Amino acid sequence: EDQVTQSPEALRLQEGESSSLNCSYTVSGLRGLFWYRQDPGKGPEFLFTLYSAGEEKEKERLKATLTKKESFLHITAPKPEDSATYLCAVRGSQGNLIFGKGTKLSVKP
Amino acid sequence: EAQVTQNPRYLITVTGKKLTVTCSQNMNHEYMSWYRQDPGLGLRQIYYSMNVEVTDKGDVPEGYKVSRKEKRNFPLILESPSPNQTSLYFCASSLGRGDEQYFGPGTRLTVT
Repeated sequence: EDQVTQSPEALRLQEGESSSLNCSYTVSGLRGLFWYRQDPGKGPEFLFTLYSAGEEKEKERLKATLTKKESFLHITAPKPEDSATYLCAVRGSQGNLIFGKGTKLSVKP
Repeated sequence: EAQVTQNPRYLITVTGKKLTVTCSQNMNHEYMSWYRQDPGLGLRQIYYSMNVEVTDKGDVPEGYKVSRKEKRNFPLILESPSPNQTSLYFCASSLGRGDEQYFGPGTRLTVT
């Protein structure tokens, strides 16, 4: 069964304290892993797509990496405005997107 | 501006009163989808559409209907809403089924 698990559920950081969010997945033949950012009460906002192990993508303080079993979203020197819930999704065996439950990130000044 | 729009953004209704939530996209995307998001359960797909007149059930379709008569519009219909359909609803669109999806701003529905 296709599955996506994100950890931790919640993460509290001080401004400037770098860390990583984890997304582990089980899918037969990965055909895309997606990261989204979601602010409270708003729709998820697309960040990255990764397709193959070893691939990396960066955007400002965020860098996403991919291995054969998991993806990491690295946050370097975060700021309070990076506070949000980060969602991971994979393209499942049936072609649909399967979402994890997200990691809620809080960055305190 | 490329976007997905939903209306209404907030809706409070009573059990059994039919309602429609509209969704429209201006990106000429073929694939459109509806999700509900509940605390602790994450995003769950209700229905999706691969193209005009082609729709199929997602993971939680019970109590919902959809139609796709035009490429840009994908309304969600609740013919007899019940309190367990109180949720935050998102419409999304993408070029294809497995491509990155672009989400609307959400509709917060309360059924009393």
